[in-house]
Amino acid sequence: EIVLTQSPATLSLSPGERATLSCRASQSVGNYLAWYQQKPGQAPRLLIYGTSNRATGIPARFSGSGSGTEFTLTISSLEPEDFAVYHCHQRSNWPITFGQGTRLEIK
Amino acid sequence: QITLKESGPTLVKPTQTLTLTCTFSGFSLSTSRVGVGWIRQPPGKALEWLALIYGHDFRYYSPSLESRLTITKDTSKNQVVLMLTNMDPVDTATYYCAHRDTSDSNYFDPWGQGTLVTVSS
Repeated sequence: EIVLTQSPATLSLSPGERATLSCRASQSVGNYLAWYQQKPGQAPRLLIYGTSNRATGIPARFSGSGSGTEFTLTISSLEPEDFAVYHCHQRSNWPITFGQGTRLEIK
Repeated sequence: QITLKESGPTLVKPTQTLTLTCTFSGFSLSTSRVGVGWIRQPPGKALEWLALIYGHDFRYYSPSLESRLTITKDTSKNQVVLMLTNMDPVDTATYYCAHRDTSDSNYFDPWGQGTLVTVSS
């Protein structure tokens, strides 16, 4: 099973700042990695798929990069609605797995 | 517009079998490229994938839970059913179903709102 490790566990930033979230895979997942955003009491929402493709309706301030075992989600300038939990997810190998999440909180 | 909604009991006793239904609209689960998966999330914890079924009836299960899981579909009713046997308090979680299309992103998108299931005697 591929283990996805997200860092940091919690990230405290202010609106307008740049956020950089990391996801490390225990073995290569190619570019078969996605990012989801989850707000309290809500289901996860797909943000980025295939490492760097924004899902429908996702603002351009969200971007993804990486390959193999190291991946990054970048939010260029934080908006108030971006404070949430972010999960990475791989579908390269069965079983498909998720990271433990990064909580992005307002500083 | 694709929508999914989970339904089932909110409380089950230990050793009982959980049966959850995902009712969806906006797509048909009759082609090999479309699937519906189940994912759960214990309170305050990470997401855990459970099972996935495609329109051509191919099924995939989490190895750690495979012996307890069954996923089925009813194409005529636009429903997918998940059964989890021998429930334990550690199975307390919000259970989500989600759509997946190999001709689109091929990731879970969108998700249902989720249903919280508590296991307690």
